[in-house]
Amino acid sequence: AQSVTQLDSQVPVFEEAPVELRCNYSSSVSVYLFWYVQYPNQGLQLLLKYLSGSTLVKGINGFEAEFNKSQTSFHLRKPSVHISDTAEYFCAVSEIGRGSTLGRLYFGRGTQLTVWP
Amino acid sequence: ETGVTQTPRHLVMGMTNKKSLKCEQHLGHNAMYWYKQSAKKPLELMFVYSLEERVENNSVPSRFSPECPNSSHLFLHLHTLQPEDSALYLCASSQGTVAGTLTDTQYFGPGTRLTVL
Repeated sequence: AQSVTQLDSQVPVFEEAPVELRCNYSSSVSVYLFWYVQYPNQGLQLLLKYLSGSTLVKGINGFEAEFNKSQTSFHLRKPSVHISDTAEYFCAVSEIGRGSTLGRLYFGRGTQLTVWP
Repeated sequence: ETGVTQTPRHLVMGMTNKKSLKCEQHLGHNAMYWYKQSAKKPLELMFVYSLEERVENNSVPSRFSPECPNSSHLFLHLHTLQPEDSALYLCASSQGTVAGTLTDTQYFGPGTRLTVL
């Protein structure tokens, strides 16, 4: 079965520092990859997604992620964080051509990013 | 009107109560989803509807009963719940088609925080 591992449950950083949130997945087939963000008391919002093409994907709010097939990773980065980036971040994976399940996403457990002034 | 709305935002119910969660999407999408988000666990996909037809029931107990009267509305009927059912219930929608496309971005509502006493 597909599994998504977010290695850090909590990441505290100071404002304007760089940050990397790690995500690894297990799959022997091709995948699509997503990062979602959840602000307090809100639903999930798509940050970025990798479908094909360039392995470096840019998203909203200055975030980017790089797909590394050999390491089965899709780490999220931002060169300089703001206090407003404090939120929970979820990595999600779907397997291409795997069965007929519509829109089947496998989520990691989430990483709580806290940005301190 | 925001893309995906959910009501109520908070719900407290006893184990013998019957209640319903409502989701409405204003995006013209064809697919709708129910997820359960529990603390310390990955998001769990519960049900998927495509063009008002249930296409996935992810081994969810029968005390959860979904209903999709049209492509814009999705309900989750609850009865005789257990305390372990306390969680955030998220609704999502995507463009989706009968054939299904795994590239569809899912748009999430803010969720209903359910507490079962």
